[in-house]
Amino acid sequence: SYVLTQPPSVSVAPGQTARITCERNNIGSKSVNWYQQKPGQAPVLVIYYDSDRPSGIPERFSGSNSGNTATLTISTVEAGDEADYYCQVWDSSSDHLYVFGTGTKVTV
Amino acid sequence: QVTLRESGPALVRPTQTLTLTCAYSGFSLNSPGMRVSWIRQPPGKALEWLARIDWDDETFYNTSLKTRLTISKDTTKNHVVLTMNNMDPADTATYYCARMADIRWFDSWGQGTLVTVSS
Repeated sequence: SYVLTQPPSVSVAPGQTARITCERNNIGSKSVNWYQQKPGQAPVLVIYYDSDRPSGIPERFSGSNSGNTATLTISTVEAGDEADYYCQVWDSSSDHLYVFGTGTKVTV
Repeated sequence: QVTLRESGPALVRPTQTLTLTCAYSGFSLNSPGMRVSWIRQPPGKALEWLARIDWDDETFYNTSLKTRLTISKDTTKNHVVLTMNNMDPADTATYYCARMADIRWFDSWGQGTLVTVSS
């Protein structure tokens, strides 16, 4: 099956850096997107095309993708960054077409 | 400003058919390259993509659910409709619709609607 594996949880102190990984064989050949979901709210796109930020998303959010791992990095973490984060890929050659990661709970 | 809003029944009985409506504004689903998808999220679980409809009426489905899903659009009403038949308690989830101005990602989401399947 097509699985994007994320750590279930990441804990970080305010002002520090959080790194969330998304793993799959050769994920570096795909475009990876990241969503932030706060409790009771809809997901919000925070990174697209591996490392681009939509307007309104702080520069503290950055992304990278190479080899078997894509990474979302949140610098100078704030209390308001506490949320679930999901990676996502589009694979036109796959039956699944759009696949989301298993999700990571970031605790500040 | 792009907005999407899902509506539909909060409770569905097992074996019944679910019909959800996504009312959108701030963009045209007639514009080349525009798409809308449905995505669901069971309580406490991850997101799962369900279906997509494109500006040219082309449709795509999650292969695991394809036989149960139908997606359609009415651009005169700015609506996208998803039907899912033979509902099961395992289909209990929050259902979201999302705009796709790029085929690769979901750039704007509705607030979601929780559907519970129970007798």
